[in-house]
Amino acid sequence: QKEVEQNSGPLSVPEGAIASLNCTYSDRGSQSFFWYRQYSGKSPELIMSIYSNGDKEDGRFTAQLNKASQYVSLLIRDSQPSDSATYLCALTFTGTASKLTFGTGTRLQVTL
Amino acid sequence: NAGVMQNPRHLVRRRGQEARLRCSPMKGHSHVYWYRQLPEEGLKFMVYLQKENIIDESGMPKERFSAEFPKEGPSILRIQQVVRGDSAAYFCASSPGQVLNTEAFFGQGTRLTVV
Repeated sequence: QKEVEQNSGPLSVPEGAIASLNCTYSDRGSQSFFWYRQYSGKSPELIMSIYSNGDKEDGRFTAQLNKASQYVSLLIRDSQPSDSATYLCALTFTGTASKLTFGTGTRLQVTL
Repeated sequence: NAGVMQNPRHLVRRRGQEARLRCSPMKGHSHVYWYRQLPEEGLKFMVYLQKENIIDESGMPKERFSAEFPKEGPSILRIQQVVRGDSAAYFCASSPGQVLNTEAFFGQGTRLTVV
């Protein structure tokens, strides 16, 4: 069974702190990884994509990928209350280039 | 440059009726994906289509559900004889190529309520 695992949270961080969201997956052959943000009652919004081991930075967001350990993480620097949402990890499994498989998401709460 | 457009945003159907959900991909995108999200659950893949072709329907229930993406017009997800368990948010996403190599963007979703 190919799986994408995320801690459901909620993860609570104070405003201005770094939020660290983690995702592990079961298929060592997975190649494409994505982080989406979903506000309650809204649609998923793409934040980052990452394909190679290492870090990828975009503004306050940094995605980190470690294929050997089969995890991908998202760091949010200087967290703002507007970052409070559910963060979904998604990836493609080997042989299924046609679809994204999603984790159940981690709910992030940024407190004042 | 409009994003992925879905309509209707909200749809109420009585048990046994048909539901038709429409999705127009972003300009330049020829790959369409349908996902279902039940309350408090994750996104579940249903079907992947390209123009006039169903590429992967491994996530779609074998009965009552069908999808198409005609040469002209939007992609349509059809649910026949709806039951209460079909109540969910249905999201469409599109990408310019396979998600192995490109990014997929989601529409605003259709929230189906079966009464």
